[in-house]
Amino acid sequence: NAGVTQTPKFQVLKTGQSMTLQCAQDMNHNSMYWYRQDPGMGLRLIYYSASEGTTDKGEVPNGYNVSRLNKREFSLRLESAAPSQTSVYFCASSSTGGEGEKLFFGSGTQLSVL
Amino acid sequence: GENVEQHPSTLSVQEGDSAVIKCTYSDSASNYFPWYKQELGKGPQLIIDIRSNVGEKKDQRIAVTLNKTAKHFSLHITETQPEDSAVYFCAASSPGGSQGNLIFGKGTKLSVKP
Repeated sequence: NAGVTQTPKFQVLKTGQSMTLQCAQDMNHNSMYWYRQDPGMGLRLIYYSASEGTTDKGEVPNGYNVSRLNKREFSLRLESAAPSQTSVYFCASSSTGGEGEKLFFGSGTQLSVL
Repeated sequence: GENVEQHPSTLSVQEGDSAVIKCTYSDSASNYFPWYKQELGKGPQLIIDIRSNVGEKKDQRIAVTLNKTAKHFSLHITETQPEDSAVYFCAASSPGGSQGNLIFGKGTKLSVKP
């Protein structure tokens, strides 16, 4: 099993460009998440999807949009990239999204916005 | 909302020594406390967790302790090995919500010197 797969692994954008980060999981999980990781800031939740067809804002949603395409896939879109969005982005999934469940993380996308 | 403080931010130990990482939380209603380990270039992985009805949990060389009165919990690694070198994140979750309520600390970079 691949678990949680993220593409691309690395990306460089210019300010104002748009892009979509892709995430897919093969564990039949209901819930999926997007986090960003910045030095000294830990992991902060951007958006999450408790189940197919639903999405909710996390701690830092501004400048991002998400799409839960189907049960397997959850994408994160930057419509107009800004240098403040330079970060490492992690997608994660969990079985039902309930409290106290194990999160399974992908290996991350390192994004630089110049 | 919940706030999680994690200390120290960096920790260096000699192989075979013990390592302790401490976290405090602000919401007395929080009742689930996981620890994630992130190796270089990878996503975080759950290594151990504890719930508020338990004071201590152990898994081989790793243990977690919880003091609900003081609102702090700690990760203890005994007989450290070079492969323990990684960034460790604590987190806390409030009851009644989804994993969207999981708040992470800022991380501790542990270096184990051979």
